[in-house]
Amino acid sequence: GAGVSQSPRYKVAKRGQDVALRCDPISGHVSLFWYQQALGQGPEFLTYFQNEAQLDKSGLPSDRFFAERPEGSVSTLKIQRTQQEDSAVYLCASSWGQGRANEQFFGPGTRLTVL
Amino acid sequence: AQKITQTQPGMFVQEKEAVTLDCTYDTSDPSYGLFWYKQPSSGEMIFLIYQGSYDQQNATEGRYSLNFQKARKSANLVISASQLGDSAMYFCAMRHQSDSNYQLIWGAGTKLIIKP
Repeated sequence: GAGVSQSPRYKVAKRGQDVALRCDPISGHVSLFWYQQALGQGPEFLTYFQNEAQLDKSGLPSDRFFAERPEGSVSTLKIQRTQQEDSAVYLCASSWGQGRANEQFFGPGTRLTVL
Repeated sequence: AQKITQTQPGMFVQEKEAVTLDCTYDTSDPSYGLFWYKQPSSGEMIFLIYQGSYDQQNATEGRYSLNFQKARKSANLVISASQLGDSAMYFCAMRHQSDSNYQLIWGAGTKLIIKP
């Protein structure tokens, strides 16, 4: 079956541009997570959705970052007025629910480079 | 504070040898889960193995096993009979079961290179 997909895989933006990153989770997965992974580091949590509700956005680094999942499936992470420090890989993950051992399935990520 | 520590930035291992990747964690929550993920150069995170804090036995999944020492807050990954395809970044992660969102807290990773 289809896994988590993300688009685009690579994005180059000029400083100050707005970008939108898309995540298609596995069909039927209730939970959706966004993580930011800087070069050579582990991922860091950005935000979490349960269906269409954004239950936690505590990891978003600034108000330039915005995420939505309006119909409880596809999610978009938007970054306004991009800065060089936003350069990273943005990972999306989905899981069936909130069970104890609920594995998160990851997409291939979007590598964002801000010039 | 919750934290994951992976002290080995990189490791070289001869093909077919066993390898142990270290992971220690810090938490005051009694209920948590520990995960290991593999990230090849393609970038996708691949789930390997899970250990719950109340599990009585160490987790095993094929060539992967988890050496869980709860008192020492250690959750090392053991890969038996390493293969060239095992070369990748390996991340240890923790999730608190009491959190409402089950976010993963990640270590910095270990880069494993298998030598032929």
